[in-house]
Amino acid sequence: NAGVMQNPRHLVRRRGQEARLRCSPMKGHSHVYWYRQLPEEGLKFMVYLQKENIIDESGMPKERFSAEFPKEGPSILRIQQVVRGDSAAYFCASSLSSEHTQYFGPGTRLTVL
Amino acid sequence: RKEVEQDPGPFNVPEGATVAFNCTYSNSASQSFFWYRQDCRKEPKLLMSVYSSGNEDGRFTAQLNRASQYISLLIRDSKLSDSATYLCVVALSGGYNKLIFGAGTRLAVHP
Repeated sequence: NAGVMQNPRHLVRRRGQEARLRCSPMKGHSHVYWYRQLPEEGLKFMVYLQKENIIDESGMPKERFSAEFPKEGPSILRIQQVVRGDSAAYFCASSLSSEHTQYFGPGTRLTVL
Repeated sequence: RKEVEQDPGPFNVPEGATVAFNCTYSNSASQSFFWYRQDCRKEPKLLMSVYSSGNEDGRFTAQLNRASQYISLLIRDSKLSDSATYLCVVALSGGYNKLIFGAGTRLAVHP
């Protein structure tokens, strides 16, 4: 049973470009969470999604960031017009239900030049 | 005030030593408590859940004091492979586990 998969593992963008981060949850998991980890800081919750629904996006910046989890395919975290401050590790986690353990993917390291 | 506070360390200890990490959380509505381990540039991995009665898993013992809003992790007989960052994590009530992470405490175990 494959774990949570994220791609790309490393992503380099120039300021003003768009970044798309993908997350495939563990088989059978329909709950997905995105977290961001800035250098030397802890992980910060961004958004919680179930299939086709955003349940809690209280941690998402108000502008430029969006997330989706379509009926088919991976969850996508999209960052438009990236700035240097967006450089971070973005981790996705999935769980069987809202009360079950979250399992983390290997993360995508975004570098904005 | 941070929601979850930890001493950043680093803790440099010899193999075989006993080391203790402390953590405090600010929201009394927190319902679930965990210790995660994160190796350099890797994803966090669940080390153990923490219960009010205290719990032990091999060389690791976790304690929770709800009245003081304090969580601890004790590692006995440290191994080189224990070197990592230990993350204190709490989850609020609200129907799902929205995890709140501390910034982590770094541990370096040396020969």
